[in-house]
Formats: sequence, C-alpha cells, structure tokens
Amino acid sequence: GAGVSQTPSNKVTEKGKYVELRCDPISGHTALYWYRQSLGQGPEFLIYFQGTGAADDSGLPNDRFFAVRPEGSVSTLKIQRTERGDSAMYLCASSLGGAVVTQYFGPGTRLTVL
Amino acid sequence: AQSVTQLDSQVPVFEEAPVELRCNYSSSVSVYLFWYVQYPNQGLQLLLKYLSGSTLVESINGFEAEFNKSQTSFHLRKPSVHISDTAEYFCAVTSIKAAGNKLTFGGGTRVLVKP
Repeated sequence: GAGVSQTPSNKVTEKGKYVELRCDPISGHTALYWYRQSLGQGPEFLIYFQGTGAADDSGLPNDRFFAVRPEGSVSTLKIQRTERGDSAMYLCASSLGGAVVTQYFGPGTRLTVL
Repeated sequence: AQSVTQLDSQVPVFEEAPVELRCNYSSSVSVYLFWYVQYPNQGLQLLLKYLSGSTLVESINGFEAEFNKSQTSFHLRKPSVHISDTAEYFCAVTSIKAAGNKLTFGGGTRVLVKP
C-alpha cells in the first residue's frame, strides 16, 4: 500500500508567521512520530502519538511547537511565531505500534523561515 | 537516555571496493538498532535492523551489520559497493523497554562512490 505522505514538500515562510505541516501515516499504523533534521545532522525526535494522544512530547523544543492527531490517523505539526532557527526538514514516521518497533518515514517537509 | 556516534561524517570509496561505516552507541538499557539510508532528495529508508537473535543481520542489497554488545557497536559493511550506493547512512537506536520506541540517530555518514 501507500507509504507515509507529507505535505507540503516545501514551505517557505517569513519570521513570525504560523505554519502547519501535515503527515498521513501508513493505513493501520497506530503509532506516529515527528522528527526534525537540521542540515548536516541526524533526525531528532519531537513527539510521538499512540492513537489520538501524544504519548511523549519530550522532544518539542518550546511551546511554539504543537502537534495534533484528532482521529488517530493524520497528524498536523503546528509552529507558531516561526523563527529562522526553525528552518529544517521535518520528518514524519509511522509504525504498527505495540511490539512492532520498525518506523517507516515519509519524504519530509523542508521548512525555510526567511 | 541513549546516544549514537557515527565516527565518519564522509566516506569516499571507489566502485567495487568494500566499505565499512562505524556506529557506536551509549545506553544504560538494552536497545534495538537500525540503519537507515537517505538517497539524494529522498526520505529515510530502513536498510536493516537488529531486534534479537543472530547478531549478524543482512539487507537485500548486500549490506550487513553486526551487533557487538561488549563494544556497543553496530558497524555497517558492504564487500563491494555500486555507484547507486551513494547516499547518507544513519545509525539509530531505541530502548527495548521504552514505550513508543522513539529513535535516537547518529549524525550520519555520507558515502560517495566514485567510478
């Protein structure tokens, strides 16, 4: 079936603006993850959902970042008052959850804050 | 908490030569280990994983990695690389017992295969 999809693929915004990044996981996957990858670095964990609830949001850098998954499928990462330092690739991954730990990644959204 | 160190940020290698990408991790608990590959302008793809059992795991395209618990390493090898193996490779770990199994990644190793 289809893999993880993310929209938009690229987002350019101005400092101070609000952005939303969308993730559509693999059908049937109950676990969903957001990671951020800065240029030249490995991905860093942001938040993990099991079903509709955020089970671990310890990686969110500050309260400008928020994510939801209201129906247990699609998730939206929301960033308020964007700063230039938020520029990065935002990656979404999903897994079946439970004892199945393998995560499958989407192509990412490249966010550029001018 | 875990950490992952990939000792080489870039590895140039000639086509048909062998390559080894080093990965060392630090963790106070038992871990699962993964290698992901990121081809130019593409997302992360799972290359191989160690969950349990044999410490030597293989991928379908000729890569293999060996889990060494005493040395806390999970080095990736391929005996003969192709031009198409040019990519960035990421080693990752997750705690066996942690709910959710969030991944901790290394900084990546960029492999450039030259003809």
